[in-house]
Amino acid sequence: DAKTTQPPSMDCAEGRAANLPCNHSTISGNEYVYWYRQIHSQGPQYIIHGLKNNETNEMASLIITEDRKSSTLILPHATLRDTAVYYCIVSEDSNYQLIWGAGTKLIIKP
Amino acid sequence: DTAVSQTPKYLVTQMGNDKSIKCEQNLGHDTMYWYKQDSKKFLKIMFSYNNKELIINETVPNRFSPKSPDKAHLNLHINSLELGDSAVYFCASSQGAGQYFGPGTRLTVT
Repeated sequence: DAKTTQPPSMDCAEGRAANLPCNHSTISGNEYVYWYRQIHSQGPQYIIHGLKNNETNEMASLIITEDRKSSTLILPHATLRDTAVYYCIVSEDSNYQLIWGAGTKLIIKP
Repeated sequence: DTAVSQTPKYLVTQMGNDKSIKCEQNLGHDTMYWYKQDSKKFLKIMFSYNNKELIINETVPNRFSPKSPDKAHLNLHINSLELGDSAVYFCASSQGAGQYFGPGTRLTVT
């Protein structure tokens, strides 16, 4: 079973920041938080990952709470192409077998 | 310049047949994977494989077998296909941060 909990769906207006929450209250000290997304009919796409510190790349920012029990993925200026299912996964290493939950279906509205 | 490619994209076949799906990655990654995504859209890991170790998800029937001719390829062989094998199969690879997925192969068993 997945070790994360995410809302099943969210809406966001185009051009606004999309904030996707994830709870992982049983995360262990050596587990990272990974975020992926899957656009309809495509393969999943890696977005970002982090351990303790906040991370930012060209796609998104990842904010991890100090106790590491939850995190938020931020898409700073959402576009229609960001409509996808977003998955939050905890894992010791990307080379491990990932356990996927149901994710959050994010719909960006014009 | 596709990083992870799969062939074929679509595969329609009859029950009882044996089929293969091919996967190639040009990223130089050491670890490759096969995932199954069923009609409910849940992604489940089937295998992970590197030069030294094959890890099999215990729920995968032994009709499924991965075969790696070299580090850049991990093919999936399926014997005696059943209706329940109908799904989208994704290949992925990783080395360090994130897993990189292929576009998927939609298998339909009739």
